[in-house]
Amino acid sequence: GQNIDQPTEMTATEGAIVQINCTYQTSGFNGLFWYQQHAGEAPTFLSYNVLDGLEEKGRFSSFLSRSKGYSYLLLKELQMKDSASYLCAVMDSNYQLIWGAGTKLIIKP
Amino acid sequence: DAMVIQNPRYQVTQFGKPVTLSCSQTLNHNVMYWYQQKSSQAPKLLFHYYDKDFNNEADTPDNFQSRRPNTSFCFLDIRSPGLGDAAMYLCATSREQGSYNEQFFGPGTRLTVL
Repeated sequence: GQNIDQPTEMTATEGAIVQINCTYQTSGFNGLFWYQQHAGEAPTFLSYNVLDGLEEKGRFSSFLSRSKGYSYLLLKELQMKDSASYLCAVMDSNYQLIWGAGTKLIIKP
Repeated sequence: DAMVIQNPRYQVTQFGKPVTLSCSQTLNHNVMYWYQQKSSQAPKLLFHYYDKDFNNEADTPDNFQSRRPNTSFCFLDIRSPGLGDAAMYLCATSREQGSYNEQFFGPGTRLTVL
């Protein structure tokens, strides 16, 4: 079966750095996406990795290791507005997104 | 601004009373998706269209139907809503199917079944 695992919830302090991990087992691999979803709102696209390595985009970076079936999202200089759920999704061999349940990130002052 | 629009944002219906949710897009994307998302769960794909080619996920209940009359619009019909169908329904689009094609989401319709 296809499976995406990520922690259910994490807590971090404003101004700090947090790393959200995602491991996956899917039928094929055509890239991994990270989305941010605020409570009661739709997901918004953050990053896409298809090759191994680190992609940096401002305060957010995403890393991929295809051989390990592993990715992480790194958030720096945390702000209160970063409190949200972060969803990891893998595009499988049929170009369908397999979604994780999301990691709820709580930022404390 | 190019976008994905969903109406209504909040929908209340009664048990068994049919309901239709609508989605429109100004992005001119070929692919449209309908997802169901319950609280603290992953989005669950119900249907997707590549242009007018309809693709039904294997485990989507028959109670759910979809229509895409043209490139810009897509509808989700729930024929006899049950209490278990209360959820957020998300419409998304992508330019094409395949790598490097992220999905753009509308704001969602939150469905309540009384």
